[in-house]
Amino acid sequence: GENVEQHPSTLSVQEGDSAVIKCTYSDSASNYFPWYKQELGKRPQLIIDIRSNVGEKKDQRIAVTLNKTAKHFSLHITETQPEDSAVYFCAAPGSQAGTALIFGKGTTLSVSS
Amino acid sequence: EPEVTQTPSHQVTQMGQEVILRCVPISNHLYFYWYRQILGQKVEFLVSFYNNEISEKSEIFDDQFSVERPDGSNFTLKIRSTKLEDSAMYFCASSPTSGSLSGELFFGEGSRLTVL
Repeated sequence: GENVEQHPSTLSVQEGDSAVIKCTYSDSASNYFPWYKQELGKRPQLIIDIRSNVGEKKDQRIAVTLNKTAKHFSLHITETQPEDSAVYFCAAPGSQAGTALIFGKGTTLSVSS
Repeated sequence: EPEVTQTPSHQVTQMGQEVILRCVPISNHLYFYWYRQILGQKVEFLVSFYNNEISEKSEIFDDQFSVERPDGSNFTLKIRSTKLEDSAMYFCASSPTSGSLSGELFFGEGSRLTVL
């Protein structure tokens, strides 16, 4: 089955700085890589995702890059704001034949003003 | 905007008691999931359900757990004999397609289970 590793576990930045969170996965057949944001006491919500046929995807201040050869994908947040403070989880399909997403351990991002 | 709804939002139970957590997935979705999140930890997959049967389950989902879709709308998770370590937030999720087919998971707000 898939193993998803996420780093760092915590990340503190100043408002306006960039933040990068990285995940590695084990199953070379994985083809879908989402990122979820979870604010304190709330449900996880999808913020961006990427499929294996592209190397990068952007949505305003958020971007995701994928390196299939190295089996890693990264979340990039530019011009961070205090409201970006949350826990961010990466995920990947559990197996090619399976239906579930397997999540990384999460990164707690703190943006101080 | 359609949402996944879960009840109860919080349940406190005694160790050894049975608990049923309820979920109403988004109506046109085909795949249903239960995940759990122990406080401060990651979101852990429990089970996925498709076409009225379990399609995948994790090693966490042992014999004390079961899922059911008793009617056309509800999706339930039963814990037969709760243990202290079952205390967690349980999230239901649904998806129009499976995770391996690039399916976004839509999570409910969660049911917090506290086992005393």
